[in-house]
Amino acid sequence: DADVTQTPRNRITKTGKRIMLECSQTKGHDRMYWYRQDPGLGLRLIYYSFDVKDINKGEISDGYSVSRQAQAKFSLSLESAIPNQTALYFCATRDNSEAFFGQGTRLTVV
Amino acid sequence: DAKTTQPTSMDCAEGRAANLPCNHSTISGNEYVYWYRQIHSQGPQYIIHGLKNNETNEMASLIITEDRKSSTLILPHATLRDTAVYYCIVRVARGAQKLVFGQGTRLTINP
Repeated sequence: DADVTQTPRNRITKTGKRIMLECSQTKGHDRMYWYRQDPGLGLRLIYYSFDVKDINKGEISDGYSVSRQAQAKFSLSLESAIPNQTALYFCATRDNSEAFFGQGTRLTVV
Repeated sequence: DAKTTQPTSMDCAEGRAANLPCNHSTISGNEYVYWYRQIHSQGPQYIIHGLKNNETNEMASLIITEDRKSSTLILPHATLRDTAVYYCIVRVARGAQKLVFGQGTRLTINP
Protein backbone atom coordinates (compact mmCIF):
# COMPACT_ATOMS: atom_id res chain seq x y z
CA ASP A 1 0.00 0.00 0.00
CA ALA A 2 1.14 3.54 -0.72
CA ASP A 3 2.31 5.70 2.16
CA VAL A 4 -0.04 8.50 1.06
CA THR A 5 -3.25 7.70 -0.76
CA GLN A 6 -5.40 10.25 -2.53
CA THR A 7 -8.93 9.69 -3.76
CA PRO A 8 -10.21 10.17 -6.34
CA ARG A 9 -7.28 10.12 -8.79
CA ASN A 10 -9.27 11.92 -11.45
CA ARG A 11 -12.46 13.91 -11.24
CA ILE A 12 -14.51 16.07 -13.56
CA THR A 13 -17.07 18.28 -11.89
CA LYS A 14 -19.35 21.13 -12.86
CA THR A 15 -19.03 24.74 -11.85
CA GLY A 16 -20.77 25.43 -8.55
CA LYS A 17 -20.62 21.85 -7.27
CA ARG A 18 -19.11 20.92 -3.95
CA ILE A 19 -16.31 18.43 -4.12
CA MET A 20 -14.08 16.76 -1.55
CA LEU A 21 -10.63 15.36 -2.16
CA GLU A 22 -9.50 12.84 0.39
CA CYS A 23 -6.05 11.97 1.66
CA SER A 24 -4.92 9.28 4.05
CA GLN A 25 -1.44 8.35 5.22
CA THR A 26 0.06 5.31 6.90
CA LYS A 27 3.28 6.97 8.07
CA GLY A 28 1.96 8.04 11.47
CA HIS A 29 3.09 11.63 10.90
CA ASP A 30 1.40 14.63 12.46
CA ARG A 31 2.17 17.07 9.65
CA MET A 32 0.02 17.02 6.53
CA TYR A 33 -0.24 19.38 3.54
CA TRP A 34 -2.38 20.12 0.49
CA TYR A 35 -0.88 21.64 -2.67
CA ARG A 36 -2.12 22.49 -6.12
CA GLN A 37 -0.05 22.48 -9.26
CA ASP A 38 -0.97 24.21 -12.49
CA PRO A 39 0.61 23.20 -15.81
CA GLY A 40 4.26 24.18 -16.03
CA LEU A 41 4.27 25.67 -12.56
CA GLY A 42 5.54 24.62 -9.16
CA LEU A 43 3.52 23.47 -6.19
CA ARG A 44 1.56 26.06 -4.26
CA LEU A 45 0.55 25.43 -0.66
CA ILE A 46 -3.20 25.55 0.04
CA TYR A 47 -3.52 24.39 3.66
CA TYR A 48 -1.40 22.57 6.19
CA SER A 49 -1.94 20.92 9.53
CA PHE A 50 0.52 20.04 12.28
CA ASP A 51 -1.88 17.91 14.29
CA VAL A 52 -5.55 17.08 14.51
CA LYS A 53 -6.42 20.36 16.23
CA ASP A 54 -4.22 22.57 14.08
CA ILE A 55 -5.18 23.98 10.67
CA ASN A 56 -3.26 26.72 8.85
CA LYS A 57 -3.83 28.62 5.63
CA GLY A 58 -1.19 28.43 2.96
CA GLU A 59 -0.45 30.72 0.01
CA ILE A 60 -3.73 30.17 -1.86
CA SER A 61 -6.46 29.10 0.58
CA ASP A 62 -9.31 31.19 -0.86
CA GLY A 63 -12.06 28.96 -2.23
CA TYR A 64 -10.85 25.93 -0.29
CA SER A 65 -11.45 24.43 3.13
CA VAL A 66 -9.96 21.46 4.92
CA SER A 67 -10.81 18.98 7.61
CA ARG A 68 -8.36 16.95 9.69
CA GLN A 69 -10.60 14.10 10.76
CA ALA A 70 -7.82 12.05 12.33
CA GLN A 71 -4.05 11.95 12.38
CA ALA A 72 -4.10 9.87 9.22
CA LYS A 73 -6.77 11.79 7.29
CA PHE A 74 -6.77 15.27 5.79
CA SER A 75 -9.51 16.26 3.35
CA LEU A 76 -9.67 19.22 1.00
CA SER A 77 -13.02 20.67 -0.04
CA LEU A 78 -14.07 23.03 -2.78
CA GLU A 79 -17.40 24.41 -1.58
CA SER A 80 -18.38 25.81 -4.96
CA ALA A 81 -15.98 24.73 -7.66
CA ILE A 82 -14.94 27.18 -10.38
CA PRO A 83 -13.03 26.53 -13.61
CA ASN A 84 -9.79 28.16 -12.44
CA GLN A 85 -9.58 25.51 -9.74
CA THR A 86 -8.82 23.02 -12.48
CA ALA A 87 -5.41 21.68 -11.44
CA LEU A 88 -3.43 18.75 -10.13
CA TYR A 89 -3.75 18.46 -6.36
CA PHE A 90 -1.21 16.78 -4.09
CA CYS A 91 -1.41 15.74 -0.48
CA ALA A 92 1.75 15.23 1.55
CA THR A 93 2.92 14.26 4.99
CA ARG A 94 6.36 14.63 6.49
CA ASP A 95 8.66 13.76 9.33
CA ASN A 96 11.86 15.60 10.24
CA SER A 97 13.77 14.13 7.31
CA GLU A 98 11.53 13.94 4.29
CA ALA A 99 8.09 14.55 2.89
CA PHE A 100 5.95 11.85 1.28
CA PHE A 101 3.52 12.76 -1.45
CA GLY A 102 0.44 11.11 -2.84
CA GLN A 103 0.08 10.41 -6.54
CA GLY A 104 -2.15 13.39 -7.06
CA THR A 105 -5.76 14.11 -7.96
CA ARG A 106 -6.40 15.61 -11.35
CA LEU A 107 -9.45 17.84 -11.00
CA THR A 108 -11.25 19.42 -13.92
CA VAL A 109 -14.02 21.95 -13.34
CA VAL A 110 -16.20 22.50 -16.39
CA ASP B 1 11.82 29.56 5.31
CA ALA B 2 14.80 31.00 3.45
CA LYS B 3 14.28 31.72 -0.23
CA THR B 4 16.11 29.73 -2.87
CA THR B 5 17.13 30.56 -6.42
CA GLN B 6 17.55 27.89 -9.08
CA PRO B 7 18.04 28.02 -12.83
CA THR B 8 14.82 27.49 -14.71
CA SER B 9 16.15 24.69 -16.90
CA MET B 10 19.25 22.63 -17.60
CA ASP B 11 20.32 19.94 -20.02
CA CYS B 12 22.72 17.09 -19.48
CA ALA B 13 23.93 14.21 -21.63
CA GLU B 14 23.04 10.70 -20.58
CA GLY B 15 25.84 9.08 -18.61
CA ARG B 16 27.38 12.36 -17.57
CA ALA B 17 27.16 13.98 -14.15
CA ALA B 18 24.31 16.44 -13.73
CA ASN B 19 25.14 19.33 -11.42
CA LEU B 20 22.17 21.36 -10.24
CA PRO B 21 22.94 24.60 -8.38
CA CYS B 22 20.88 26.33 -5.73
CA ASN B 23 21.46 29.68 -4.07
CA HIS B 24 20.16 30.24 -0.55
CA SER B 25 22.07 33.28 0.66
CA THR B 26 19.66 34.04 3.54
CA ILE B 27 19.78 30.57 5.06
CA SER B 28 19.74 30.48 8.85
CA GLY B 29 22.08 28.43 11.00
CA ASN B 30 19.45 25.81 11.86
CA GLU B 31 18.02 25.43 8.37
CA TYR B 32 18.72 22.37 6.29
CA VAL B 33 18.96 22.14 2.51
CA TYR B 34 16.51 19.62 1.02
CA TRP B 35 16.22 18.39 -2.54
CA TYR B 36 13.15 16.84 -4.13
CA ARG B 37 12.31 15.94 -7.68
CA GLN B 38 9.07 15.58 -9.57
CA ILE B 39 8.85 13.31 -12.57
CA HIS B 40 6.12 14.32 -14.99
CA SER B 41 3.08 15.08 -12.81
CA GLN B 42 3.87 12.42 -10.23
CA GLY B 43 4.11 13.36 -6.57
CA PRO B 44 7.47 14.90 -5.65
CA GLN B 45 10.09 12.49 -4.34
CA TYR B 46 12.63 13.19 -1.64
CA ILE B 47 16.26 12.92 -2.76
CA ILE B 48 18.62 14.10 -0.07
CA HIS B 49 19.16 16.73 2.60
CA GLY B 50 22.05 18.22 4.57
CA LEU B 51 22.99 20.89 7.07
CA LYS B 52 26.63 21.78 6.38
CA ASN B 53 28.53 18.61 5.60
CA ASN B 54 28.43 17.07 2.16
CA GLU B 55 26.03 14.15 1.92
CA THR B 56 25.76 11.17 -0.38
CA ASN B 57 23.15 8.47 -0.78
CA GLU B 58 22.18 5.99 -3.44
CA MET B 59 20.48 8.66 -5.52
CA ALA B 60 22.74 11.68 -5.38
CA SER B 61 25.37 13.77 -3.65
CA LEU B 62 24.84 17.13 -2.02
CA ILE B 63 27.66 19.63 -1.82
CA ILE B 64 27.11 22.62 0.47
CA THR B 65 29.52 25.54 0.38
CA GLU B 66 31.39 26.42 3.55
CA ASP B 67 29.37 29.62 4.03
CA ARG B 68 26.18 27.59 3.33
CA LYS B 69 24.89 30.21 0.91
CA SER B 70 24.71 27.80 -1.97
CA SER B 71 24.65 24.10 -2.74
CA THR B 72 24.87 21.70 -5.65
CA LEU B 73 22.98 18.48 -6.19
CA ILE B 74 25.00 15.99 -8.20
CA LEU B 75 23.52 13.04 -10.08
CA PRO B 76 26.73 11.18 -10.88
CA HIS B 77 25.65 9.21 -13.94
CA ALA B 78 22.46 10.71 -15.26
CA THR B 79 19.97 8.48 -17.04
CA LEU B 80 16.91 9.35 -19.09
CA ARG B 81 14.76 8.52 -16.07
CA ASP B 82 16.37 11.42 -14.20
CA THR B 83 14.53 13.89 -16.44
CA ALA B 84 12.40 15.80 -13.94
CA VAL B 85 11.89 19.09 -12.13
CA TYR B 86 14.28 19.40 -9.20
CA TYR B 87 13.35 21.52 -6.18
CA CYS B 88 15.75 22.95 -3.64
CA ILE B 89 14.17 23.90 -0.30
CA VAL B 90 15.66 25.24 2.89
CA ARG B 91 13.90 24.88 6.23
CA VAL B 92 14.39 23.73 9.79
CA ALA B 93 14.05 20.00 10.27
CA ARG B 94 11.87 19.94 13.34
CA GLY B 95 8.88 21.82 14.55
CA ALA B 96 5.76 23.23 13.06
CA GLN B 97 6.68 24.73 9.73
CA LYS B 98 5.08 24.88 6.34
CA LEU B 99 6.79 23.23 3.41
CA VAL B 100 7.05 25.65 0.50
CA PHE B 101 8.31 24.79 -2.99
CA GLY B 102 9.77 27.25 -5.50
CA GLN B 103 9.73 26.84 -9.27
CA GLY B 104 12.58 24.35 -9.41
CA THR B 105 14.94 23.43 -12.25
CA ARG B 106 13.65 21.44 -15.17
CA LEU B 107 16.45 18.97 -15.94
CA THR B 108 16.40 17.24 -19.30
CA ILE B 109 18.69 14.28 -19.85
CA ASN B 110 19.49 13.88 -23.53
CA PRO B 111 20.46 10.57 -25.15
